[in-house]
Amino acid sequence: AQSVAQPEDQVNVAEGNPLTVKCTYSVSGNPYLFWYVQYPNRGLQFLLKYITGDNLVKGSYGFEAEFNKSQTSFHLKKPSALVSDSALYFCAVRFPDNYGQNFVFGPGTRLSVLP
Amino acid sequence: GAVVSQHPSRVICKSGTSVKIECRSLDFQATTMFWYRQFPKQSLMLMATSNEGSKATYEQGVEKDKFLINHASLTLSTLTVTSAHPEDSSFYICSAGWTGDSNQPQHFGDGTRLSIL
Repeated sequence: AQSVAQPEDQVNVAEGNPLTVKCTYSVSGNPYLFWYVQYPNRGLQFLLKYITGDNLVKGSYGFEAEFNKSQTSFHLKKPSALVSDSALYFCAVRFPDNYGQNFVFGPGTRLSVLP
Repeated sequence: GAVVSQHPSRVICKSGTSVKIECRSLDFQATTMFWYRQFPKQSLMLMATSNEGSKATYEQGVEKDKFLINHASLTLSTLTVTSAHPEDSSFYICSAGWTGDSNQPQHFGDGTRLSIL
């Protein structure tokens, strides 16, 4: 079965330190990979995606993610965390032949950046 | 960027009331919209796929008579929670995207927090 795992429910990091939010996936084929962020009582906001090409993709708000095919991972990173980055982060996959079809979301990781 | 508008943002009502939630794509046409339910501190659970001009496709375990979906135009889908009860209290989120472009991100509404007393 297709699945997306985010092994950490919670990640705490001090402001100014680098952060990593982990994502691994178990799917067949070559999915498209996405990261979304959710602030309290809000919908999801798109951060970045990997479709093809360079394994390191850059997105909004200084975030980046590295695709690793051999490890089937797509970890989200930021060199220097801000308190305002505190939110819920979701990794998601989608399949090239699923036109109009939904995403498969990971369970989410709550990021807390401490001042 | 594309914007999806969802209304209302919050609803508090008595048990037995039917509640309608609207999801609009403001600057693009969405032949497909998705409805999710999110429980506290949990991920999104897909409830149904809303297709313009045809019946919605419901996920297993979701009661289609309980959660009525209408997608009458390319910019509007509605979810009606019929005869709502306290167990229906949740955060409901819609999303939309361009059909045929699976490498494009979905765009999400800001969600509707439904509280049934």
